[in-house]
Amino acid sequence: EVQLLESGGGLVQPGGSLRLSCAASGFAFSSYAMTWVRQAPGKGLEWVSIISDSGRTTNYANSVKGRFTISRDNSRNTLYLQVNSLRAEDTAVYYCAKAQSSVSGTAFDYWGQGTLVTVSS
Amino acid sequence: DIQVTQSPSTLSASVGDRVTITCRASQSISTWLAWFQQKPGKAPKLLIYDSSRLQSGVPSRFSGSGSGTEFTLTISSLQPDDFATYYCQQYNSYQNTFGQGTKLQIK
Repeated sequence: EVQLLESGGGLVQPGGSLRLSCAASGFAFSSYAMTWVRQAPGKGLEWVSIISDSGRTTNYANSVKGRFTISRDNSRNTLYLQVNSLRAEDTAVYYCAKAQSSVSGTAFDYWGQGTLVTVSS
Repeated sequence: DIQVTQSPSTLSASVGDRVTITCRASQSISTWLAWFQQKPGKAPKLLIYDSSRLQSGVPSRFSGSGSGTEFTLTISSLQPDDFATYYCQQYNSYQNTFGQGTKLQIK
């Protein structure tokens, strides 16, 4: 059974940083691209970033480019999102999700339950 | 960036109804479109990918169609479990984008 478990969220002041983690199990983690999607309270889904199976290729939404960094450790079956220079508008539940293939350009078939990031002073 | 526009934003329907949700892309995305269902407090669930392929385990009352810039999600006979919010998502470009969502509520 595919399982994705996010952690690392919490309350942080504007300008602060966090590292989100997503522990994966139940599938060959190193063979699939992985992504982060966020959802602000009461709002819709916003795609944030994606990383290829090897970690060599990454892409970001314009709203987070230069502030967020996606990475993965295939030896630990773990996906990361380093979030820096946080703003109030980054407040959201952050979901990790598995892509259907090794690269970008596929749907996201399994999702974690999310971790809440709250940016407030 | 490719924008996707969903309509309607809210839809009221009854159990047994046939409903259709539309998603329009700002430029051609071939068939690189997915549909998700989300219930309050839960993660999104993939229903349809590549415009018309049914994800494993999803009931056959859900179907998708379209190519280029216009896409539809159809639920052939609404069940009580189907009242939720639905999102389309394009993955044609490196910048994935979601539609703004359609809340399907009980009439």
